[in-house]
Amino acid sequence: AQTVTQSQPEMSVQEAETVTLSCTYDTSESNYYLFWYKQPPSRQMILVIRQEAYKQQNATENRFSVNFQKAAKSFSLKISDSQLGDTAMYFCAFMKHEGNKLVFGAGTILRVKS
Amino acid sequence: GAVVSQHPSRVICKSGTSVKIECRSLDFQATTMFWYRQFPKQSLMLMATSNEGSKATYEQGVEKDKFLINHASLTLSTLTVTSAHPEDSSFYICSAGRGGRTDTQYFGPGTRLTVL
Repeated sequence: AQTVTQSQPEMSVQEAETVTLSCTYDTSESNYYLFWYKQPPSRQMILVIRQEAYKQQNATENRFSVNFQKAAKSFSLKISDSQLGDTAMYFCAFMKHEGNKLVFGAGTILRVKS
Repeated sequence: GAVVSQHPSRVICKSGTSVKIECRSLDFQATTMFWYRQFPKQSLMLMATSNEGSKATYEQGVEKDKFLINHASLTLSTLTVTSAHPEDSSFYICSAGRGGRTDTQYFGPGTRLTVL
C-alpha cells in the first residue's frame, strides 16, 4: 500500500518570503501521479500542482514549484513570494498511474504572516 | 471549468434521521466521483468510489448500509447517511474526475454534518 508522509504539522512564513513544504511517499509503483492540494479556511480543496512521475522536469505553476526526487521518493512544494492568501492547510497526495484513488498525507498548516 | 458543487453546505439533524448530500459536476461529465470524510485538522479519508450506473466501491471499514451512495447520472452522485448518530458528525467532501479521467480530481466545497 502507498503511504504519504508530511513531517511538518505547522509552518509559518513572512509575507513575500519563500517556504518549502516537505512530502515523502512510499510506493513500489514506477509510474504514478503526485499532487499538492491547498485547503484554505473555507475548506474548499484546490489543486495547486500536479506531477507525473515519468516526467523528470519539475512542475511549476506561477509562484508554486516542486522538487521531485523520484529515487528519494520526495516531493516538496516551494512557495515563492508568499502571500497572505496562501495561508491554508496543504496536502500532498499520491495516485497510481492506472488507479483513481488519492492517498493523502496528514497535511501541513501554513500561516503567512504580515 | 471543472466546477463541483455540493448541497447542502451545512446540515443539522437529529439522531436517528437520515441525511442526503448531493454532489454535482456543473460543467463536465463525471463517470467517477469520490466521497471523503474529514475530521477537524485532519486529512481526508476516502469513504467510497462512486461509478455512474453501477454500485459504489467502499473502502475497508466503511459501512455500506449506513452510507448509501447513488450515482444516477454523469453529473450527480448522492451520499445518504442513514440513521445518523453524533459520531457521524463530520465534514463530507466529494470529488470528481472530468470526462472519465480520474488522474486529476476536482473537489466540491464540502458539507458539514452535525448530528444532535
